[in-house]
Amino acid sequence: QVQLQQSGPGLLKPSQTLSLTCTVSGVSISSGGYYWSWIRQSSGKGLEWLGYMFNSAHSYYNPSLKSRITLSADTSKNQFSLRLSFVTAADTAVYYCARDQGAAADGVHYGMDFWGQGTMVTVSS
Amino acid sequence: DIQMTQSPSSLSASVGDTVSMSCRASQSISSSLNWYQQKPGEAPKLLIYAASFLQTGVPSGFSGSGSGTDFTLTISSLQSEDFATYYCQQSYSTPFTFGQGTKVEI
Repeated sequence: QVQLQQSGPGLLKPSQTLSLTCTVSGVSISSGGYYWSWIRQSSGKGLEWLGYMFNSAHSYYNPSLKSRITLSADTSKNQFSLRLSFVTAADTAVYYCARDQGAAADGVHYGMDFWGQGTMVTVSS
Repeated sequence: DIQMTQSPSSLSASVGDTVSMSCRASQSISSSLNWYQQKPGEAPKLLIYAASFLQTGVPSGFSGSGSGTDFTLTISSLQSEDFATYYCQQSYSTPFTFGQGTKVEI
């Protein structure tokens, strides 16, 4: 059974860097051709797709985050990670990692079928 | 970005009812439309992908239809566990975007 377990701090100060990790079990992130995604949910903006990576190296980001976001993977630990720099109060949200069950080889996406438990991240001075 | 608009924002129903909700895209997204169910304190759960395909393990009372810009999620014979918020999401082009949700209430 595929499971995603998130870890990382939940309280940050403005201008700090948000760093979350998603540890995957039941499937290798370096095989299968799935997309590994990050989504956040806030009361103000609802659900917002942040980006995904596939084949452990290729990433696509939401342009709204400009150059602040970086996704990376550690295949030896079967983990993928989110870094968001220079956070502000507007980045306060519940952050989720998820697997997109699409096929990277075909460039198709079939929705996010497995999700992490969510991490409430609060940005406050 | 493709804007996704859901209606209604909320609806009241009873156990056993059949309910439908709408999702409209700001441009054609073919059949690249997914539906999720979310309950308070939980992550979203994928119900329907590619507009009309039932995700494995999802009860057959859920169905999706539509293509292009207009899509519908129908829940037949509403069960108590179906009271939740439902979101549509387009996976046609990045950045993927979600609707604002339809809350199904008793």
